Amino acid sequence: EPEVTQTPSHQVTQMGQEVILRCVPISNHLYFYWYRQILGQKVEFLVSFYNNEISEKSEIFDDQFSVERPDGSNFTLKIRSTKLEDSAMYFCASSEEGYSTDTQYFGPGTRLTVL
Amino acid sequence: DQQVKQNSPSLSVQEGRISILNCDYTNSMFDYFLWYKKYPAEGPTFLISISSIKDKNEDGRFTVFLNKSAKHLSLHIVPSQPGDSAVYFCAAREYGNKLVFGAGTILRVKS
Repeated sequence: EPEVTQTPSHQVTQMGQEVILRCVPISNHLYFYWYRQILGQKVEFLVSFYNNEISEKSEIFDDQFSVERPDGSNFTLKIRSTKLEDSAMYFCASSEEGYSTDTQYFGPGTRLTVL
Repeated sequence: DQQVKQNSPSLSVQEGRISILNCDYTNSMFDYFLWYKKYPAEGPTFLISISSIKDKNEDGRFTVFLNKSAKHLSLHIVPSQPGDSAVYFCAAREYGNKLVFGAGTILRVKS
């Protein structure tokens, strides 16, 4: 069964450093998403991406964040200058279409630890 | 953001019995609801969904009920199995792609 994959599974970085989290969505899916879950808190939407541009973003997704589809398979989340509060599990998801009844399928997540 | 609430942090059920997980929401613009299951160190796995125009959807052992007037939905698992032990998240979608998640309920199925 096709699945969303994410690398690395765990990333440790120093505050102020840039990190890039990588995702390979399901191959025939057109919509891509990033969510995060800070320890002990809810899963929160960050951004959705379609046709090489952001379709929706939350207030969390400020200028420190960016997303890119650098080739036909990868989808990346970049955090330019990490802060301690960026420590969280970051989940990538994808869906076939963007219809309201379309299911989003999640990857296993990347645990980001900012020291 | 308390738009989606799962008021029970945990639930313990005997194997073979019914598990009922509850979810309340406040935003009347939500038009689609989903349940995800999550094991430790894994991402959320889609279980079942329901459109706001329906009041019930069934898939094998899993049934989701939606009461729009009460802004309440529930997930029934019958019969419960030890492998169902996980965190269950209720999620809702407004127009657009963004999912709003509840805090999750830890289900423990005892054998």
